[in-house]
Amino acid sequence: SQTIHQWPATLVQPVGSPLSLECTVEGTSNPNLYWYRQAAGRGLQLLFYSVGIGQISSEVPQNLSASRPQDRQFILSSKKLLLSDSGFYLCAWCRLENTGELFFGEGSRLTVL
Amino acid sequence: GNSVTQMEGPVTLSEEAFLTINCTYTATGYPSLFWYVQYPGEGLQLLLKATKADDKGSNKGFEATYRKETTSFHLEKGSVQVSDSAVYFCALRRNQGGKLIFGQGTELSVKP
Repeated sequence: SQTIHQWPATLVQPVGSPLSLECTVEGTSNPNLYWYRQAAGRGLQLLFYSVGIGQISSEVPQNLSASRPQDRQFILSSKKLLLSDSGFYLCAWCRLENTGELFFGEGSRLTVL
Repeated sequence: GNSVTQMEGPVTLSEEAFLTINCTYTATGYPSLFWYVQYPGEGLQLLLKATKADDKGSNKGFEATYRKETTSFHLEKGSVQVSDSAVYFCALRRNQGGKLIFGQGTELSVKP
């Protein structure tokens, strides 16, 4: 069966520090991968998606970047965090052939102080 | 563009009450529609889906019907339980790329 893991689950970082959130998928190959952010009291915002190794599409201009160094690994990064980067970050994957249902990781809660 | 609008929360109900959470969408073409649920402190999980007009998705006592004429996908449950307390997200999938577009989420709180 397929599984998706994110880490760390919780992170508290000072403003201006770097960020690296990792996501891996097991049990499938060539998944589409996504990073969403859920700010407090607000909905889900798609940040990045990837259809293959090294292929990253950005949905909104921001302080963050994403990379996909391996088929089942998706990394969300920042060189210098801002207060507004605080939120709950969710990684997800899907296969196109099953009508696009997304499978989400457990989430990573980032607090920037 | 494509978008999803949900009724604002929080929604507070007593146990065994009837639930409706409204969802309307704007989309080009014929999107697939989804309801996801997020229990406290967790990621999202799929609750139900419908891929074409007049389809009814159902799961765990929840139902939603894809209404093309009203561009709606309202979530209903006849009798809610305390364990249904969560945030519910309506979403649509565009035909290309598999990207889901989510509504803002509706928080449901069920009191015993």
